[in-house]
Amino acid sequence: NAGVMQNPRHLVRRRGQEARLRCSPMKGHSHVYWYRQLPEEGLKFMVYLQKENIIDESGMPKERFSAEFPKEGPSILRIQQVVRGDSAAYFCASSKQGAPYEQYFGPGTRLTVT
Amino acid sequence: AQTVTQSQPEMSVQEAETVTLSCTYDTSESDYYLFWYKQPPSRQMILVIRQEAYKQQNATENRFSVNFQKAAKSFSLKISDSQLGDAAMYFCAYGQGGSEKLVFGKGTKLTVNP
Repeated sequence: NAGVMQNPRHLVRRRGQEARLRCSPMKGHSHVYWYRQLPEEGLKFMVYLQKENIIDESGMPKERFSAEFPKEGPSILRIQQVVRGDSAAYFCASSKQGAPYEQYFGPGTRLTVT
Repeated sequence: AQTVTQSQPEMSVQEAETVTLSCTYDTSESDYYLFWYKQPPSRQMILVIRQEAYKQQNATENRFSVNFQKAAKSFSLKISDSQLGDAAMYFCAYGQGGSEKLVFGKGTKLTVNP
């Protein structure tokens, strides 16, 4: 049973470009969470999605960041016009319906903005 | 807002000995969960142990156990018979009932000396 998949594992973008990070949840999981880890910091919650719905985006920056989890396909975290401060590791986690505290994490995407 | 504090940025232990990592949290809620996650150099987040606040009995998973002091809002992790593979960053996390996002501490870097 494959775990949570994230791609790419490493992404390099120049300032002003767009970054798209993908997350495929574990089989049977319908809830996806995105977290960001800045250097020397713990993970910080960004957004919680179910299929076709954003449930909680209280941790998302107001501008340039968006997330979706379509009916088919992976969840996407999109960062427009990236800046150096967006450089971080972005982790996706997934859980089953009714088991919100059994979140399984993917390996993360390390975004570097040059 | 809930906060999680890990007061030990770094800890070290000799192989085969026991080490305790500290974590305190701040909440006014009664329904919540607490977690310890391990992040090895691969950066994969691995769930080590979970504790439900309503359970008085301390959780145990093989060599890993917790000391959950609800009144003191303390949740320490004890690693017995430390192994070289235990070397990693350890993050304490809090999850509130009814909200599915996790709040993480800043982490403790554990070194295991042979």
